[in-house]
Amino acid sequence: DTGVSQNPRHKITKRGQNVTFRCDPISEHNRLYWYRQTLGQGPEFLTYFQNEAQLEKSRLLSDRFSAERPKGSFSTLEIQRTEQGDSAMYLCASSLGWEPYEQYFGPGTRLTVT
Amino acid sequence: AQSVTQLDSQVPVFEEAPVELRCNYSSSVSVYLFWYVQYPNQGLQLLLKYLSGSTLVKGINGFEAEFNKSQTSFHLRKPSVHISDTAEYFCAVSDRTGRRALTFGSGTRLQVQP
Repeated sequence: DTGVSQNPRHKITKRGQNVTFRCDPISEHNRLYWYRQTLGQGPEFLTYFQNEAQLEKSRLLSDRFSAERPKGSFSTLEIQRTEQGDSAMYLCASSLGWEPYEQYFGPGTRLTVT
Repeated sequence: AQSVTQLDSQVPVFEEAPVELRCNYSSSVSVYLFWYVQYPNQGLQLLLKYLSGSTLVKGINGFEAEFNKSQTSFHLRKPSVHISDTAEYFCAVSDRTGRRALTFGSGTRLQVQP
């Protein structure tokens, strides 16, 4: 068990560019969550998957955001036409989906849009 | 819908002193309750959780929390803090069915001084 990993750890991009982040959950975990954390705030829910199915998207997730989890393993989060307001830490978490319901978080990807 | 309020954005305390970090929540349904810690440049780590049963919950690193249903509170305590406890602490809730995504408070910065 190597924990949840995220790549890249840091990403600097220019406004208008597309970016893609990857999350590798703990192998036996069937649920995967994406959160966004801005400076001085707690993480906010974006979306989640149960296996390969994306079951819910927050209203925070505009049409420029898309997430996938092919084959129920790793997940990607893509942001198209980035805006400065997208600058944040993007966190991924995974869980078993049943007790003890603990979500294990990755180290996050820090996005800076210039 | 749920919301979490962490009443103190920063808590300075001297080493070996006791500390309490306050958390109040609002929800129309029964929830699970969590405390996470975030060290600089690291992901979120679970300190403790309340799912059911005894309202006094013990976690890692000597922390404990008490669930008070009537006051809708879940305050975190430690009888004697160390310099290494300096970090950001987040209180979170999740619903008991469905997505179980976490709703976080805005965090409390615990600054332990020698």
